[in-house]
Amino acid sequence: AQSVTQPDIHITVSEGASLELRCNYSYGATPYLFWYVQSPGQGLQLLLKYFSGDTLVQGIKGFEAEFKRSQSSFNLRKPSVHWSDAAEYFCATNSGGSNYKLTFGKGTLLTVNP
Amino acid sequence: DGGITQSPKYLFRKEGQNVTLSCEQNLNHDAMYWYRQDPGQGLRLIYYSQIVNDFQKGDIAEGYSVSREKKESFPLTVTSAQKNPTAFYLCASSMGQVVRYNEQFFGPGTRLTVL
Repeated sequence: AQSVTQPDIHITVSEGASLELRCNYSYGATPYLFWYVQSPGQGLQLLLKYFSGDTLVQGIKGFEAEFKRSQSSFNLRKPSVHWSDAAEYFCATNSGGSNYKLTFGKGTLLTVNP
Repeated sequence: DGGITQSPKYLFRKEGQNVTLSCEQNLNHDAMYWYRQDPGQGLRLIYYSQIVNDFQKGDIAEGYSVSREKKESFPLTVTSAQKNPTAFYLCASSMGQVVRYNEQFFGPGTRLTVL
């Protein structure tokens, strides 16, 4: 069965600093991978997705993520964090095809200090 | 604008009462989903529907029921059998088999509190 691990429950960074959120997946074939962001009391918004091709994907709000098959990772990065990036971030995967279900990690809460 | 709407945003229920959460989408998506979110638990799948008049149990279906009579609507009923219903409920939809990677789009959520 697929699984997603986000090792960091809570990360605090200073505004303007760089950010990397970790995500590891467990799946035999090439997975489809997603990063979502959730502001408090809101739904989830898709930041970016990977399903094939270039392993470095660009998303909205200046985020990018890199798929590394050898490490089973799909880490999310941003070079300079803004206070508005404070939110919870979820990594998710599915195996594509007729598998409709997404498997989510438990999330990483990002706090941004001024 | 296309999207997913959930109503109400906040819902209060007395113990022993059933309550229905609404989810409507105008994205023409085939598949719809209900998730429950609790602090530190991530998202857990309650039910999903791949097509009208068909739905399947997710990981935590006990105490919940759904219907899918129309493509755009997927209401969730939280029954009195659900032992701990206080949570944030999220509805989502996706294109289904048309698109291989099946990206899901989420509604704004309903926060249910049992008094």
